[in-house]
Order: sequence, then C-alpha cells, then structure tokens
Amino acid sequence: NAGVTQTPKFQVLKTGQSMTLQCAQDMNHEYMSWYRQDPGMGLRLIHYSVGAGITDQGEVPNGYNVSRSTTEDFPLRLLSAAPSQTSVYFCATSEEFPTANEQFFGPGTRLTVL
Amino acid sequence: DQQVKQNSPSLSVQEGRISILNCDYTNSMFDYFLWYKKYPAEGPTFLISISSIKDKNEDGRFTVFLNKSAKHLSLHIVPSQPGDSAVYFCAASAIGSEKLVFGKGTKLTVNP
Repeated sequence: NAGVTQTPKFQVLKTGQSMTLQCAQDMNHEYMSWYRQDPGMGLRLIHYSVGAGITDQGEVPNGYNVSRSTTEDFPLRLLSAAPSQTSVYFCATSEEFPTANEQFFGPGTRLTVL
Repeated sequence: DQQVKQNSPSLSVQEGRISILNCDYTNSMFDYFLWYKKYPAEGPTFLISISSIKDKNEDGRFTVFLNKSAKHLSLHIVPSQPGDSAVYFCAASAIGSEKLVFGKGTKLTVNP
C-alpha cells in the first residue's frame, strides 16, 4: 500500500499562474484534508472533506479550491498563485474525524511562487 | 488569537536525559489532544494522544500529561535518543468539531 501520495514534490510558479496539487490515498479513509506549513506558523488547515462530494473550509481557505469526486483523490487548486502562497503543503487522511483519530500525512509539496 | 501555544521554538537535550515539551491552550472546549512528530522533508506522523477524561497517557518512552485546570499539557520523552530529534506539534480539538488546531511546533535536538 502506498498510503498517502502527493504530486509534485516541488513546484515553482509565477504570480498569477494556476496549478493543481494532487493527493491520493489507498487507505479507504473518508476524511481528507489539506494543510500548509509556514516557518513559525505550524500547520494550518486549508480545506477538508468528510467524504466524496462533501468539502468545507478550514482556517485559511482563500485562494484555494478543492473538490472530492472520489474517496481516493482530493486535489487542491490554486486559482491565481501569489507569493503569499509559497509554502509546504501537506495532504492528510483519517478513518474518521482527525479530532480523535490518527491522521496520516503525505510527504508534502514544496511550492514557491515568484 | 492562537488557541494552542508552544512557547518554546526549540529545545536541546543530551542523549539519555529527559525531554519535556510543553503546550498551553486557551479554549476550554478542547477535549482531545494529540502530538505529532515531523522530520525534515517528511510529513508529520502521529505520536500519542490524550482525552480530557485522563491526566496521563503512556506509550513506551513517551508520556503525555494533561493539567486541565492549568490548560497545559506536556510530552515527556525518557530516555531521549538522537533519533527523537524532530519538530513536535501539539494539536487540540473541541467536542463536536471536525477540525484540529495545531501549535507552531517545538524543534527538539537530542545531542549524542
């Protein structure tokens, strides 16, 4: 089992470009989420999904879109990249709500916006 | 307003000694707490958790203590090993919430 996979590992964008960060899991988990990690800021929740077809906003959703058409995939879209979106992005999954259950994180995508 | 605070950005200890990582919270509705560990260039991994109905949870070398009246929890690692060198994140959740709130992390360095 691959667990949680994220692609790409690294990406450089110019301001205004759009892109999609991919996240896939083979654990059959219902709950998936996207976090960003910035120096001195910890992990901040961007968007999350409690199942296919259901998504909701986290702490820092502006500038990002998500959709969940299947249990396995949860892509994160940057509509018009800005330098403030330079960060490391982590996708995570859990069998149920992560509030009392272990989350499994992907290896991360390091994004730089010039 | 930061609801989960890890006031020590870094901590350095000698191998074999105890490491104590601290976490404070402000939201009295938080009822479940988790610790995650993160190595460079990897995703965080779950370490240990504690429910608010307990004041202690132990798993091998790792013990988490919860002091509800002080809104404080701590992670003890005994004995510390060089492989424990990582960033440790404290996280908390409230009853009925679908989200975790993370602290900013503490970077632990265990020196041989």
